[in-house]
Amino acid sequence: NAGVTQTPKFRVLKTGQSMTLLCAQDMNHEYMYWYRQDPGMGLRLIHYSVGEGTTAKGEVPDGYNVSRLKKQNFLLGLESAAPSQTSVYFCASSYKLAGEYSYEQYFGPGTRLTVT
Amino acid sequence: GESVGLHLPTLSVQEGDNSIINCAYSNSASDYFIWYKQESGKGPQFIIDIRSNMDKRQGQRVTVLLNKTVKHLSLQIAATQPGDSAVYFCAALRQDSSYKLIFGSGTRLLVRP
Repeated sequence: NAGVTQTPKFRVLKTGQSMTLLCAQDMNHEYMYWYRQDPGMGLRLIHYSVGEGTTAKGEVPDGYNVSRLKKQNFLLGLESAAPSQTSVYFCASSYKLAGEYSYEQYFGPGTRLTVT
Repeated sequence: GESVGLHLPTLSVQEGDNSIINCAYSNSASDYFIWYKQESGKGPQFIIDIRSNMDKRQGQRVTVLLNKTVKHLSLQIAATQPGDSAVYFCAALRQDSSYKLIFGSGTRLLVRP
């Protein structure tokens, strides 16, 4: 299993440009998450999904949109990038088995985004 | 709002010594805690977790202690090795709000040879 993969690994955008970050997991996990990580800070939850076709806002959702059209994929979109969105973005997933939720989240390797 | 904080941004230890990384949380309703390890350029990796009905849990070379009275938890690493050099995060959540882990800012562990 590849686990959680993220595409791309690095990206530089100009202010106002748009892009989509792709997260894929091959573990058949129900739940998926997008976080951002800034220097000296912990991970902050942007959006999350508890299943195919459902999404919800996290702690810092402004400026981002997400979609979960397939169970294995979770897309994070930036419609009009701003320098404040320069960060490292991590995707994570977790499972639900026989009604019991696992809080352990499996993380991807991250996408380093710079907005100039 | 909820917050999780680590006491030291950096901890330097001698190889072979024990390491102790501390974490405090603000929400007394938090009832589940996880420690993650993040190596440079990689995503966080699960180390160990503990539920609030426990005050100690042990893994391989790692022990997590939970003190609910003072809302504090610690990660102890025995016989620290160079491969333990990384940033360590604690995270907390309330099980009735299932999905939202609140992460601390991380402690960088440096292992001196």
